[in-house]
Parts: sequence; structure tokens; C-alpha cells
Amino acid sequence: AQKVTQAQTEISVVEKEDVTLDCVYETRDTTYYLFWYKQPPSGELVFLIRRNSFDEQNEISGRYSWNFQKSTSSFNFTITASQVVDSAVYFCALSEQGAQKLVFGQGTRLTINP
Amino acid sequence: DADVTQTPRNRITKTGKRIMLECSQTKGHDRMYWYRQDPGLGLRLIYYSFDVKDINKGEISDGYSVSRQAQAKFSLSLESAIPNQTALYFCATSDLSSGPWGETQYFGPGTRLLVL
Repeated sequence: AQKVTQAQTEISVVEKEDVTLDCVYETRDTTYYLFWYKQPPSGELVFLIRRNSFDEQNEISGRYSWNFQKSTSSFNFTITASQVVDSAVYFCALSEQGAQKLVFGQGTRLTINP
Repeated sequence: DADVTQTPRNRITKTGKRIMLECSQTKGHDRMYWYRQDPGLGLRLIYYSFDVKDINKGEISDGYSVSRQAQAKFSLSLESAIPNQTALYFCATSDLSSGPWGETQYFGPGTRLLVL
């Protein structure tokens, strides 16, 4: 069975601090995809990144970076030099080959204080 | 214009009423989904459709029904609304051509439903 755990329910930091959001997943498949979505206070869900199970290269996009480690079944998300606009709920999700659906973690509410 | 739209954006209804939430997309995607979001539970899949003639139950389909009127339209109905169906509802779409499991899902803006 597939499962995604985001153990950090809420995180609060001061602007310009670096912050890492943890995501741990469970799957029996060797082929799967991992995703991160952002939900700002306005409520919509914004796609951030997709990573397949065969590509363990870390990815960086501006102040955002993602660390995928199959050995620990983790796909962590780091925001460098955080800004108030980064305040949102962030969801990690998993899609297995053949399962034909996304399974979401519970989400982490990130608050960046000025 | 938004690629995935949901109407209404907010709805208040009473217990026992039948209501319909509508989703339309201009992305040309084959697959459409309905999720609900509850605090602390993330998003849970209610129904999904891979084409107009294909409807599948998700993990929490009881109390809900759907209709795929066209490739671009997917409606969610609450047959007899109850208070624990108060939630934020999302429609999403994905493109079959991206692969059966790896496609990215794109979400609408959500519908906030309150059942009194």
C-alpha cells in the first residue's frame, strides 16, 4: 500500500531563514512518482515539482531545492532564504505505477514571519 | 483564463439537500478527478474518470456521485448533504499521454462547502 507521511504539522520561522519540509513515503513499487504542491492562503493548489523513482538527482529551482533519497524513502523540500510569500501549506504526494491515483500527505503549514 | 474552473467557489447548504459542484477544463486533458480536503487529512480521492465513459470510485465515494458530461466537464453531486461533508473540494485534471502513473495533476481553485 502507498502512504505519504509529513510529520511536521506546522513550522514557523523568521524571514530569511532556511527551512526544510520533510516527506517520507511508503511503496512496494520500484516505479513511482513523487510530487510537491503548494497551497497558499488563497486556497488553490499549485504544482511545484515531479520526480520519478529512477532519478535521484537533487533539483534546484531558485530558492527551492528538493532532496530525493531512495535509501531513506524521503523526498524533502528546502526553501533557502525564506520569504513571507512562501507562507502556505505544502503537500507531498506519491503516485505508483498501476495505482492510477495520487496519495497525499497530511500537509505542512509553513509560516514565515517578517 | 484559468485552465481548470470550479463553480460555485463557495456554497452553504442545509442537511438533506442535493447539491452539485461543477468542474470545467480547457487543458484538453483526458483524466479528471474530485478530491476533498479536510484539516489534518490532506486530500482524499472521491471519484476519478479517465474518459467520458469511464468512472471510478476513489477511497471515499460514499454519499457522492459524479457525471462526466463531456471530456471537459466533470460534476460532483452530494445526494443528500450531511454536515460531515463540509470541506474544501478540488477538481483536478491530468493528461493520459504523459503516462499512466506519472502524469502531473493540475487543480482547480476549489469549492468551499458548508453543510448546516
